[in-house]
Amino acid sequence: NAGVTQTPKFQVLKTGQSMTLQCAQDMNHNSMYWYRQDPGMGLRLIYYSASEGTTDKGEVPNGYNVSRLNKREFSLRLESAAPSQTSVYFCASSIRDWDNEQFFGPGTRLTVL
Amino acid sequence: DAKTTQPPSMDCAEGRAANLPCNHSTISGNEYVYWYRQIHSQGPQYIIHGLKNNETNEMASLIITEDRKSSTLILPHATLRDTAVYYCIVLIQGAQKLVFGQGTRLTINP
Repeated sequence: NAGVTQTPKFQVLKTGQSMTLQCAQDMNHNSMYWYRQDPGMGLRLIYYSASEGTTDKGEVPNGYNVSRLNKREFSLRLESAAPSQTSVYFCASSIRDWDNEQFFGPGTRLTVL
Repeated sequence: DAKTTQPPSMDCAEGRAANLPCNHSTISGNEYVYWYRQIHSQGPQYIIHGLKNNETNEMASLIITEDRKSSTLILPHATLRDTAVYYCIVLIQGAQKLVFGQGTRLTINP
């Protein structure tokens, strides 16, 4: 099993550009999450999907949209990137909703100029 | 979620047991102790969790004091690959959101 995979690994955007971060898991997990990690800030939850067909806002959803395309895939879209969105983005999954044992992907390092 | 306190850094010799402490004096009865680690430039990795009994898995052991106000994560035979930041997190089952504090930066020395 590949676990949780994320693409791309690195990305540089200009302010105002849009892009979609892709995440996929092959563990048949029901729940998926998007976090961002900034230096000295720890992880902050952006959006999560408790199960296929549902999405909910997390702690810092502004400026982002998500799509749970199917059980395997959960994408994060930046419609108009801002320098404040420069961060490392992690996707995670868990077997079920309300499960604190989460499996993380390798991350996407995004820089917005 | 209860607040946790961890030492900012620790060193351990390769092959020895690494004992990482965590204080969580305000833990409530329905809160679990979770441990994650993050190796440099990688995503966080779940290690172990417990409520009040000691737990052991293939990665580590978790010792929780009887009053549940503190715990210790034990890596029995540390290797260089165990060098990472270790996070102790206290939260209820089903919290969904993981909140990482500053953690302990563990360095395993050859």
